[in-house]
Amino acid sequence: KAGVTQTPRYLIKTRGQQVTLSCSPISGHRSVSWYQQTPGQGLQFLFEYFSETQRNKGNFPGRFSGRQFSNSRSEMNVSTLELGDSALYLCASSLGPQEGDGQYFGPGTRLTVL
Amino acid sequence: AQKVTQAQTEISVVEKEDVTLDCVYETRDTTYYLFWYKQPPSGELVFLIRRNSFDEQNEISGRYSWNFQKSTSSFNFTITASQVVDSAVYFCALSAYNQGGKLIFGQGTELSVKP
Repeated sequence: KAGVTQTPRYLIKTRGQQVTLSCSPISGHRSVSWYQQTPGQGLQFLFEYFSETQRNKGNFPGRFSGRQFSNSRSEMNVSTLELGDSALYLCASSLGPQEGDGQYFGPGTRLTVL
Repeated sequence: AQKVTQAQTEISVVEKEDVTLDCVYETRDTTYYLFWYKQPPSGELVFLIRRNSFDEQNEISGRYSWNFQKSTSSFNFTITASQVVDSAVYFCALSAYNQGGKLIFGQGTELSVKP
């Protein structure tokens, strides 16, 4: 079974621009979560989607948004990029939205904001 | 509030040594799940284990073992006879009741296994 895929793997943007990251979950998985990883803040939860609905949201500004499509693929968008948005963005998929479901992570998208 | 603490920032051992990574968590929920993930230099988080709050049995998988103690709110991870390939950052995480897929991660422990 193919794992979680994320595209692109690397991205360089400048301040003020916007970016869209894509995540394809493991086949059969219907829940997708997004995390931001930085050296200073560690791994932080951004949001979770299940059945095209956002079920949970972390403590991030409104510039961070996401969506999920009917095939469970998900995208996240960051508008008006800031230098502090430079991070590894990780997507995770699970069978469903239950807290006990194991989450499987993709390789991440490394975003650099100049 | 939920919190996960991994007090060991970095650990360095020589190959074949045993090493234990500590994880202490805080939650007021009685139902919760604990996880360990491995992050090699490639960056991808690799799922290692999931444990629910009602199952305090220790688990062993090959050279890996986990010790869950609710009395001390700890979920420690031991690697026996460490190998160079075990070098990675290891994260402990908590998923609390009714929080769905939201994982709360510790800061991670960077393990370096030298030949």
